[in-house]
Amino acid sequence: DGGITQSPKYLFRKEGQNVTLSCEQNLNHDAMYWYRQDPGQGLRLIYYSQIVNDFQKGDIAEGYSVSREKKESFPLTVTSAQKNPTAFYLCASTDRWGDNQPQHFGDGTRLSIL
Amino acid sequence: QKEVEQNSGPLSVPEGAIASLNCTYSDRGSQSFFWYRQYSGKSPELIMSIYSNGDKEDGRFTAQLNKASQYVSLLIRDSQPSDSATYLCAVTGTASKLTFGTGTRLQVTL
Repeated sequence: DGGITQSPKYLFRKEGQNVTLSCEQNLNHDAMYWYRQDPGQGLRLIYYSQIVNDFQKGDIAEGYSVSREKKESFPLTVTSAQKNPTAFYLCASTDRWGDNQPQHFGDGTRLSIL
Repeated sequence: QKEVEQNSGPLSVPEGAIASLNCTYSDRGSQSFFWYRQYSGKSPELIMSIYSNGDKEDGRFTAQLNKASQYVSLLIRDSQPSDSATYLCAVTGTASKLTFGTGTRLQVTL
């Protein structure tokens, strides 16, 4: 089945540690996105990628990094510079950037601090 | 002013009633509008898209868009307990970026 797979489902980070969240899609979509959701809040855009080998900062990129070396994959690294990483992280994709089509989400990764 | 505003609720409606969820947005050039349903602990699920003024119906759901008033709403007819969730309004603005509201929590009571 086509879709977006995020892993792991739960992740724990120690102080000073970088952790990487995986996002894979088999929809042949060009555009991919990472969001963060805090309790009782909407989704905030961290990074997005319009096409392979390209990515742009979103509204809250500080303390995060991404890569887009393959069309199917858009991993997010939460670095030690992100002082408040506890949140629900969601990955999404669309066929093309700016096509006004809805984004569909993976099941998310819940990150907590040990 | 927030880019996309929703009342956080909770909105409580009895089973079988109509639930009305509202959303306003600030970017007058916005082109596309979406409603997502999010159950507690789960990821958002798309339930409705609307692109032009007027009503769009899909089963028990009706989305209404009024671009002049910068207002989009979602009606849920014959509300069921399984409709209890948080409903997120999302709007694509002129920069092609999707912006989400903070969501309205709906409770359907027996």
